[in-house]
Amino acid sequence: DAGITQSPRHKVTETGTPVTLRCHQTENHRYMYWYRQDPGHGLRLIHYSYGVKDTDKGEVSDGYSVSRSKTEDFLLTLESATSSQTSVYFCAISGGADQPQHFGDGTRLSIL
Amino acid sequence: AQSVTQLDSQVPVFEEAPVELRCNYSSSVSVYLFWYVQYPNQGLQLLLKYLSGSTLVESINGFEAEFNKSQTSFHLRKPSVHISDTAEYFCAVSGTGFQKLVFGTGTRLLVSP
Repeated sequence: DAGITQSPRHKVTETGTPVTLRCHQTENHRYMYWYRQDPGHGLRLIHYSYGVKDTDKGEVSDGYSVSRSKTEDFLLTLESATSSQTSVYFCAISGGADQPQHFGDGTRLSIL
Repeated sequence: AQSVTQLDSQVPVFEEAPVELRCNYSSSVSVYLFWYVQYPNQGLQLLLKYLSGSTLVESINGFEAEFNKSQTSFHLRKPSVHISDTAEYFCAVSGTGFQKLVFGTGTRLLVSP
C-alpha cells in the first residue's frame, strides 16, 4: 500500500467549529489531493497541491482551505464547519501526470 | 470540462456469471482512463489504467477494460465474478497534462451465490 495516513479517521463536531484534517505521505510524491465522497456524486476534488506551498482549487473548494508547508503533509481546514460538509474525505497522492493517484483510507466527518 | 458517466448505479449478478460495468467519458482531447475499486469502509484502490498503447488493459484479478476512442468508452468486464468482487467501482478520466481526475458516480457490483 502507498504510504498515506489520514488523521483523524473519524470526527464528530458541531456547526461553526473549525476542523483540520491531515494527510501524511511517506512516498515523497509531488502531487497531493483532497476529495470528498458523497452518495450520488462519486468523488469530487476540493483542492490539490503540486508542490510545497503550491496549491489550487478544485471543483468544490468553497468553505475549505489547504496548506502544504512540507512535502509530506497536506492539511485541509474547514474554517467554520457546516452540516453540508458532512462527508467522507479522501486524500490522494501522485508522482506525476502519468502516474495514477493512490488514496488514503479516508476520514469520516460528521457535523451536527 | 471533462465528465464521466456511469449509467448503472447498481449491477446485481450471480457468482461465476460475466459482468460489464459501463463507463463513458466526454473529452475532445487525449485522456488517461482509470478504474478504481472501493471495498466497504476502505479507500479507493487502482484496478487498472489506460495511458497509451494497447487499448485492452488487464488487472491481476481477472478484470479487463477496453479503451474505445470512437465511442468514448472504457467499459470494465470480467468473464466470471466471485463473491469477493462485491464492491463499488469508479471510472475516472484525466487529461494527459496535469492529472486532475474526474470521477463517475460509481457502480455498485453485487455478487450473490
